[in-house]
Amino acid sequence: AQSVAQPEDQVNVAEGNPLTVKCTYSVSGNPYLFWYVQYPNRGLQFLLKYITGDNLVKGSYGFEAEFNKSQTSFHLKKPSALVSDSALYFCAVRDEGNTPLVFGKGTRLSVIA
Amino acid sequence: DAGVIQSPRHEVTEMGQEVTLRCKPISGHDYLFWYRQTMMRGLELLIYFNNNVPIDDSGMPEDRFSAKMPNASFSTLKIQPSEPRDSAVYFCASSQLGRHEQYFGPGTRLTVT
Repeated sequence: AQSVAQPEDQVNVAEGNPLTVKCTYSVSGNPYLFWYVQYPNRGLQFLLKYITGDNLVKGSYGFEAEFNKSQTSFHLKKPSALVSDSALYFCAVRDEGNTPLVFGKGTRLSVIA
Repeated sequence: DAGVIQSPRHEVTEMGQEVTLRCKPISGHDYLFWYRQTMMRGLELLIYFNNNVPIDDSGMPEDRFSAKMPNASFSTLKIQPSEPRDSAVYFCASSQLGRHEQYFGPGTRLTVT
């Protein structure tokens, strides 16, 4: 069965500094990996995905994520954080079959001006 | 496309009443998912459909919950009778075969008093 771990409930970063939100996964076979963001009182918004190919994936709003197969990780990164990036971030995984996404518990990112 | 549409956005009801949540997926999407989000349990998959057919309802908490998808453009999630512990935000999401990522609606915030 697939699983996702987001080890940090909360990440605080100063505006302009780089940010990292961590995610590790477990799946049989090749993983399909995703990041979503949720702003207050909104639904989850798709940020980026890794299916195959280049390990560094670029997504919306300047975010990127690096797939590391040996460490089974898919950390979300951004070179320079904005206050408007403050939100709840979810990592998700599924296997190659038509199975639903399995979501992590979420990490709350707070960017401080 | 308007994205996934959910109604109502907010619902307040008394314990014992029937509640019906509605969802219109993105046109052309093959899969539809119902999720529930609470602070305690995070994001939980309740049920999902493929081409209007329920595939996995193992996440439905109990018999008080039921979901239908009478056609490709409409789904309902019904709770009868409702209980205070059903209070949560309920999300609908849809996806297209071969595209992998899911697109979420804005959610329905349900409060059962």
